[in-house]
Amino acid sequence: KQEVTQIPAALSVPEGENLVLNCSFTDSAIYNLQWFRQDPGKGLTSLLLIQSSQREQTSGRLNASLDKSSGRSTLYIAASQPGDSATYLCAVRLLTGANNLFFGTGTRLTVIP
Amino acid sequence: NAGVTQTPKFRILKIGQSMTLQCTQDMNHNYMYWYRQDPGMGLKLIYYSVGAGITDKGEVPNGYNVSRSTTEDFPLRLELAAPSQTSVYFCASSYSPGQGAHDEQFFGPGTRLTVL
Repeated sequence: KQEVTQIPAALSVPEGENLVLNCSFTDSAIYNLQWFRQDPGKGLTSLLLIQSSQREQTSGRLNASLDKSSGRSTLYIAASQPGDSATYLCAVRLLTGANNLFFGTGTRLTVIP
Repeated sequence: NAGVTQTPKFRILKIGQSMTLQCTQDMNHNYMYWYRQDPGMGLKLIYYSVGAGITDKGEVPNGYNVSRSTTEDFPLRLELAAPSQTSVYFCASSYSPGQGAHDEQFFGPGTRLTVL
């Protein structure tokens, strides 16, 4: 069974810092990996999707990398802003099965002005 | 283009009551999913559908039922509500697998359900 772990569970940084969020998964037979942002009491907003054949994806100040063989992904946020404060979720889709996503429990990020 | 919409946003049920959580998408996605999110836990799949008339169980289907009569709608039914079903429920949709960037799953805003 796929297990997805995100470390740390919570992170506080001062505004302007660059930061890295970590995601690890136990089954490397993945189809893709998706990073989401979740604001308190809200739904999930997709940030980046990396196919299993890709090494990284970039969108603005966000860069996600994927090392499938080691079962790891990182989300790099450059020049953090208070508006980046949210919970960040990592999810993987397996090559086989129901096409659903297996989610980590998230990293709650606070950017201090 | 509203994306994925869910109703209601909040609901309180008594033990044993039933209700239907509504989900609609306007992106012509053929895949739809229901997840639940419990505090401190990752989202878990309840049911999914690969197209109208086709549904299947996910990881935690007990106590729930679904139907998919149209491409757009995928309602989730709770027949006999129990306190263990207190959770936030998310509906999601996507294109079929193998469509590259279109594999992305899009989520609705969620329904927060409390069973007392």
